[in-house]
Amino acid sequence: NAGVTQTPKFQVLKTGQSMTLQCAQDMNHNSMYWYRQDPGMGLRLIYYSASEGTTDKGEVPNGYNVSRLNKREFSLRLESAAPSQTSVYFCASSDRQGAREQYFGPGTRLTVT
Amino acid sequence: QQQVKQSPQSLIVQKGGISIINCAYENTAFDYFPWYQQFPGKGPALLIAIRPDVSEKKEGRFTISFNKSAKQFSLHIMDSQPGDSATYFCAASEKAGANNLFFGTGTRLTVIP
Repeated sequence: NAGVTQTPKFQVLKTGQSMTLQCAQDMNHNSMYWYRQDPGMGLRLIYYSASEGTTDKGEVPNGYNVSRLNKREFSLRLESAAPSQTSVYFCASSDRQGAREQYFGPGTRLTVT
Repeated sequence: QQQVKQSPQSLIVQKGGISIINCAYENTAFDYFPWYQQFPGKGPALLIAIRPDVSEKKEGRFTISFNKSAKQFSLHIMDSQPGDSATYFCAASEKAGANNLFFGTGTRLTVIP
């Protein structure tokens, strides 16, 4: 049982480049989330998917898109990366909509130059 | 605007001492208050959580104290150990729209042997 996995672990992009962060969970959870973590800011929700086939904006969605590919996978796309998107990105899942415990992946450290 | 305010930013405690981290909120619709523990290079993991119908919850050396009227809650780590050295985040969510966990800014705890 791997829990929540994320790829890649590290990535460096130039301004304007695009990339997709991948996330998968093997806990049969319905809900999945993308957060970014910045120093002094805590974790902030970018997008979430309450169930397969639905996605909603969180607190900081600008500059990002998401796809809930199936129940297991939830990807985050940066279409045109900006230095302000330099951050550590965490994917999380929970076992039902509104469930309180969220299980986090190990994170992707993204640097945009 | 930070929905959950956390202090202190960093904390150094001697082994065997008590670590205390405080959080405050304004949104009276919050009804779930978890604490997450994060080790370097890892994703956050749920440590302990409380709902506002109780004033205290204890799990081993970790205790949450909750003051509904003051809209404050705190984490106490008794008999702090070097292995407790990590970053701790408080968070809160409301029943309606509970997909969004609002995190505090984090406290880096260092326990000195």
